[in-house]
Parts: sequence; C-alpha cells; structure tokens
Amino acid sequence: EIVMTQSPATLSVSPGERATLSCRASQSVSSNLAWYQQKPGQAPRLLIYGASTRATGIPARFSGSGSGTEFTLTISSLQSEDFAVYYCQQYNNWPQWTFGQGTKVEIK
Amino acid sequence: QLQLQESGPGLVKPSETLSLTCTVSGGSISSSSYYWGWIRQPPGKGLEWIGSIYYSGSTYYNPSLKSRVTISVDTSKNQFSLKLSSVTAADTAVYYCARLDGSSLSPNYYYGMDVWGQGTTVTVSS
Repeated sequence: EIVMTQSPATLSVSPGERATLSCRASQSVSSNLAWYQQKPGQAPRLLIYGASTRATGIPARFSGSGSGTEFTLTISSLQSEDFAVYYCQQYNNWPQWTFGQGTKVEIK
Repeated sequence: QLQLQESGPGLVKPSETLSLTCTVSGGSISSSSYYWGWIRQPPGKGLEWIGSIYYSGSTYYNPSLKSRVTISVDTSKNQFSLKLSSVTAADTAVYYCARLDGSSLSPNYYYGMDVWGQGTTVTVSS
C-alpha cells in the first residue's frame, strides 16, 4: 500500500495570504494525484487531478504541482471560503487508492 | 445537474451486513464515461476508498475490504449499492457515493471523483 503523508497537520493563515500544503507518497505515483477540499459537514470537493489540472469550476487561485513522491497544493490568496480540510489522494496504485490524512487550513 | 443521494439504515448491529444505495439523478448511470464508487470517513478521521463499479457490472475493491464488500448496479433504477458484511464498530463512518470521471480507472484515463453525494452516517452498535 502506498502511504500518503500530508504536512502540516494544521496550517494557520490570514485571509489574503498564501497557503502551501504538502503531500508525500511512500513511493512514486507519477502525476496520478488528486486534491480534495472538505468543509465541515460537507462531502469532499475535487480541486485538482493529474497533480496540476484544475477541475471544472475551480478558481485559479488553487494550483497543484509536483510528481513522483512530492506534491504541493498552493492557494495563492486565501479567501474566507477556503478554510477547510484538504486531502491528497493517489490513484497510481490501482486498485488500492489511498488518501492522505488531511491538512486543516484555519484562520490565523 | 447530476446529483447523488445515499440511503439506507443509520444503525447496524455488529456482525450484520451494512447495506446502502446511491440513487443517481440528472444523468444516466449507464454512461460509458464514468465509474461509480463508495468512500467512507470514520468520525474525525480521513477518507478511505471502498470500491468502484462500472455500469456493465465490473467491480474493483480496496484489497483491505475486499473479502467483505460487494458493490452492485441496477441500471433500470439508476442506482448502485454497497454491502459490507460482518461489520464491527470500526465500520462506523459517514459513507459517500461518488462519480468517478473516466472511461477507465487506469491512471491515464481517470480524472478524479467529481460529483459526490451528501453522505450518510452509519453507526455499528448493538
């Protein structure tokens, strides 16, 4: 099983600032990585797939980068609606897809 | 607009079988462009992929749950279903159904879980 490790567990950021979230895979997943946003009491929402392609309707302030074992999700200027938990998920190792444990982005 | 809605008992006794259904509205479950899946989230924890199904009935399960999971599809009702047998307290979670964007689950042809149901809470307790 590929283990996905996200850091930090919690990120405190002020509105308007930049947020950088990391995701590391225990072995290479190529670019087969997605990012999801989850707000309290809601289902996850797809942000990024293919490590860097924004899903339909996702604002340009969200960007993904990386390949192999190291990935980053960047939110260029945090808006109030961006405070949430973010999960990475690898889909390279079929059929055992795995998620990271999540990074909570909270208001500083 | 495509919508997914989970339904089923909110309380299941230990050792029994958890059964949930996901009803798809606003689109056809028989589209060749999508798979359909189940994901769960224990209280206060992260996400776990359970398994996926194609409208033809082809299924793919998480190896860690494979011995207890059955996913089926009913195209006439535009629904797919999850059965998880021999449940324990560790199976207590919010269960989500989702659409998987891709004509194949091979990484090159897969584009993420792009539509989700609202989730349903299942508690395993006597």
